[in-house]
Amino acid sequence: AQSVTQPDIHITVSEGASLELRCNYSYGATPYLFWYVQSPGQGLQLLLKYFSGDTLVQGIKGFEAEFKRSQSSFNLRKPSVHWSDAAEYFCAVGAQGNTDKLIFGTGTRLQVFP
Amino acid sequence: ETGVTQSPTHLIKTRGQQVTLRCSSQSGHNTVSWYQQALGQGPQFIFQYYREEENGRGNFPPRFSGLQFPNYSSELNVNALELDDSALYLCASRNGQGDYGYTFGSGTRLTVV
Repeated sequence: AQSVTQPDIHITVSEGASLELRCNYSYGATPYLFWYVQSPGQGLQLLLKYFSGDTLVQGIKGFEAEFKRSQSSFNLRKPSVHWSDAAEYFCAVGAQGNTDKLIFGTGTRLQVFP
Repeated sequence: ETGVTQSPTHLIKTRGQQVTLRCSSQSGHNTVSWYQQALGQGPQFIFQYYREEENGRGNFPPRFSGLQFPNYSSELNVNALELDDSALYLCASRNGQGDYGYTFGSGTRLTVV
């Protein structure tokens, strides 16, 4: 069965520092991969998605992610974090046979210190 | 675009009662999915509707049911509420033409007491 693992439950960074959030997936074919962000009490906002093609994907708010098939990873990066980036980040994969069914990881909470 | 709107934002129900949550999607978004997000967890897929028919379901019992209407609105119904049904319920919709970037609503926070 497909699954998504986000190894880091909580990450704290200083404003202006670089960021990398880890995501590993289990999937039998080429996956559809997504990163979403959730602010407290809010729904999910799509940051970026990967379906095929260039393995480095650019998203909104200065985020990017790189698909690495050999490592089954889709890590999210940002070169310089802003205080407004503090939120919960979720990695998700479209289920095999029904890519409309998104399987989410448990999330990584990002805290940003000034 | 008007986004995805969910109502109500918060709701408190008693165990055993029934609840209906509502979602209004963007015009043209004929695919809608519902998710349950328990506290501290990632969202879990409940089911999906396409052109008013259910065409995908997660590991949820039949007391979770839904409807999708021609005006791009939808409902999630939960019967015989249990304490473990307390969660944030998220509606997500997309255009069925191939763009898999779902737009999520802000959710309904359901508390069962």
